[in-house]
Amino acid sequence: EAGVTQFPSHSVIEKGQTVTLRCDPISGHDNLYWYRRVMGKEIKFLLHFVKESKQDESGMPNNRFLAERTGGTYSTLKVQPAELEDSGVYFCASSPYRGRGYTFGSGTRLTVV
Amino acid sequence: QKEVEQNSGPLSVPEGAIASLNCTYSDRGSQSFFWYRQYSGKSPELIMFIYSNGDKEDGRFTAQLNKASQYVSLLIRDSQPSDSATYLCAVQGSNNNDMRFGAGTRLTVKP
Repeated sequence: EAGVTQFPSHSVIEKGQTVTLRCDPISGHDNLYWYRRVMGKEIKFLLHFVKESKQDESGMPNNRFLAERTGGTYSTLKVQPAELEDSGVYFCASSPYRGRGYTFGSGTRLTVV
Repeated sequence: QKEVEQNSGPLSVPEGAIASLNCTYSDRGSQSFFWYRQYSGKSPELIMFIYSNGDKEDGRFTAQLNKASQYVSLLIRDSQPSDSATYLCAVQGSNNNDMRFGAGTRLTVKP
């Protein structure tokens, strides 16, 4: 079984630019989550998809962040325009059910300079 | 108050000892509790989950849950250097939706 795949693994962009992160969950996992870890801080929830629908986006920091999940398969997280404080590691995770542990991707390390 | 609190460590134990990792949470209605292990530069990996009060054992790992005290712990018996990692406590809240993570405890097992 293929795991959760994220790319790019690293991205360095200038302040004001746009970056799009992609996540391919495990096939058949309806639940897809985005999390972010800023240096030295805990992993913070961003949002949760159930299939193609946003179930909870209460963790999205502001309207510079836009997440989509096309056809309930892969998901993208776009940051536009990027700010310095957006730097961190963005993790995607998926699970077949709520209330169960997630499988995490390897993360995308975003650096905004 | 943070939703999930962990002692950031570092926690250092000698090889063969018992490592004890602790976590408290604020949402009294929380239902599910998880321990993840994260090696440096890698993704979090689920190692234990527990839903009911009491102990749950899996090999060298034991998770303990006390909902009345809002406390969950992870014991690692016969610690090995390969157990050296950051251990993340995660709690699924009463809305049974997303998980909240603690900041993690860094464990070092010295040979």
